[in-house]
Amino acid sequence: QVQLVQSGAEVKKPGASVKVSCKASGYTFTSYGISWVRQAPGQGLEWMGWISAYNGNTNYAQKLQGRVTMTTDTSTSTAYMELRSLRSDDTAVYYCARDPDSGYDYYFDYWGQGTLVTVSS
Amino acid sequence: QSALTQPASVSGSPGQSITISCTGTSSDVGGYNYVSWYQQHPGKAPKLMIYDVSNRPSGVSNRFSGSKSGNTASLTISGLQAEDEADYYCSSYTSSSLYVFGTGTKVTVL
Repeated sequence: QVQLVQSGAEVKKPGASVKVSCKASGYTFTSYGISWVRQAPGQGLEWMGWISAYNGNTNYAQKLQGRVTMTTDTSTSTAYMELRSLRSDDTAVYYCARDPDSGYDYYFDYWGQGTLVTVSS
Repeated sequence: QSALTQPASVSGSPGQSITISCTGTSSDVGGYNYVSWYQQHPGKAPKLMIYDVSNRPSGVSNRFSGSKSGNTASLTISGLQAEDEADYYCSSYTSSSLYVFGTGTKVTVL
């Protein structure tokens, strides 16, 4: 069965960086893309960006350009999301989600369990 | 990229039908048949309920259906049940940034 298992909760100080991992299993990792979605406390979902596990192509949300980097390690079927220069409003639950990476289908069919990142001095 | 517009809350009695709207622009909802809907219970990850406007993934109840007209997509839940009480989000492909989510709708079963 398809599973996306994320790394554990993090507490960071303002200005620091965080790197969240998402280990995939149950499917051919390089046949799909991975998007990262975050949800601030009590707020809605925000799409952060996408990476193709096939060729490493990325597409980042404009508001995060320059602060976020998404990568994959195909040898371990793991995706990573690094966010730099953290601010208090980056406090959120961060999700990874699988997407078809087909060029003609756009949705998220499996999600990780979420990783709480707290930014506080 | 602005979020798609959804009503903040929708409610209904058990057995009734409710509809949640999701309004965007011709650059997202109106321009592509790539609208999806997600159900999120408190403290849980979202779950895909509808993709490509009206397709249901395997295992999702046929009480959930989707449609689109112009720049507005809709999710209808028929035969409302207590377990349907959750937050619902629409999402669309967008020409400017790949994906955009809706503002979210809290569904309450009275």
